Amino acid sequence: GNSVTQMEGPVTLSEEAFLTINCTYTATGYPSLFWYVQYPGEGLQLLLKATKADDKGSNKGFEATYRKETTSFHLEKGSVQVSDSAVYFCALSDRGGYQKVTFGIGTKLQVIP
Amino acid sequence: DSGVTQTPKHLITATGQRVTLRCSPRSGDLSVYWYQQSLDQGLQFLIQYYNGEERAKGNILERFSAQQFPDLHSELNLSSLELGDSALYFCASSLSGGNQETQYFGPGTRLLVL
Repeated sequence: GNSVTQMEGPVTLSEEAFLTINCTYTATGYPSLFWYVQYPGEGLQLLLKATKADDKGSNKGFEATYRKETTSFHLEKGSVQVSDSAVYFCALSDRGGYQKVTFGIGTKLQVIP
Repeated sequence: DSGVTQTPKHLITATGQRVTLRCSPRSGDLSVYWYQQSLDQGLQFLIQYYNGEERAKGNILERFSAQQFPDLHSELNLSSLELGDSALYFCASSLSGGNQETQYFGPGTRLLVL
């Protein structure tokens, strides 16, 4: 079956530091890949997505590139802010049929001033 | 604000009881999803509906059931509740359920079973 593996964290960074959260996946075929973010006390919201190999998703300074050869979709940001503190979920959606999303365990990011 | 609403926000009940969680999707969205988020299991997909019909099933227990009504709102029914059912339950919606679509999540219902 499908699976998503990401570092559990927590990840603690100082403001303006570089962020990488690794995500690798296992899937049949070519899934769509997503990063969702969950701020404290809220539901998940889409951060970015990529639907085919070599696509780069980007939003709010975050980027992730769909790498088919390494089955990865690592999240990066050049300079994090305190407001980026949240839990980040990597997810995939199977290309076959209707959307059935598999989420990673979530990585908690804490940015300190 | 995602446009997805869930009620109630919090629910406290006892083991063996039955509860109903309600979700209204974003205006125009036909597909609804239910997820359970717990500390030990992470975010688990339970079930998906599209325009009133069940489309995909995940790790949903037999004690749980769901439906989507003609006005597109959905309800998740949890019965014979156990302590381990305590979790955050999220509803999400998307336009038609296609695998490239963004899902829009509601704020969740926090269930505590005592």
